[in-house]
Amino acid sequence: QQQVKQSPQSLIVQKGGISIINCAYENTAFDYFPWYQQFPGKGPALLIAIRPDVSEKKEGRFTISFNKSAKQFSLHIMDSQPGDSATYFCAPYYLIQGAQKLVFGQGTRLTINP
Amino acid sequence: DGGITQSPKYLFRKEGQNVTLSCEQNLNHDAMYWYRQDPGQGLRLIYYSQIVNDFQKGDIAEGYSVSREKKESFPLTVTSAQKNPTAFYLCASSTQGRGFYEQYFGPGTRLTVT
Repeated sequence: QQQVKQSPQSLIVQKGGISIINCAYENTAFDYFPWYQQFPGKGPALLIAIRPDVSEKKEGRFTISFNKSAKQFSLHIMDSQPGDSATYFCAPYYLIQGAQKLVFGQGTRLTINP
Repeated sequence: DGGITQSPKYLFRKEGQNVTLSCEQNLNHDAMYWYRQDPGQGLRLIYYSQIVNDFQKGDIAEGYSVSREKKESFPLTVTSAQKNPTAFYLCASSTQGRGFYEQYFGPGTRLTVT
């Protein structure tokens, strides 16, 4: 089974600070690199995703940085807000026989202190 | 409103009983998925279906069964053979095809077996 290692497990950041979550993978066959956000008691929702031929993608306060040679990608949340407090999952994606597969990391519980 | 509904939100069962979790989507998606989430862990794929009347085992299918008789519905049965059934169960759906398509998740069902 493909291995995806996410770090840190938990993170506390002051309001207005930068939150950084990292993801390392082994499988070079992954086609896309998304991050999902999950609030307590809810299902995850796609936050941002990057293609492997791009090194950085920014959407508002959220940025993915992708390092293909190191097989790592990270999520940066600028100007972190209390409403960003949630669990974040990296979930590299690949297709197999036409079926979409997401391989979820263990998750990072982010707390933004006001 | 388009989306995915899962019912019930909380479910309690005695050990040895089978239980069926409901998942309905009105997004007109071909593909549907069932995941299991345990505390402090990422999501793990149980079963998925790319088309009506067809489904495939995911990474942890033992002790579970599914059916896909309608495009909109993908119920999951947790059988008495599942050794550790207590978990948060999430259903998702997506468009099929090459390229990255977001998986949309339902609100989840929290199953407790005692």
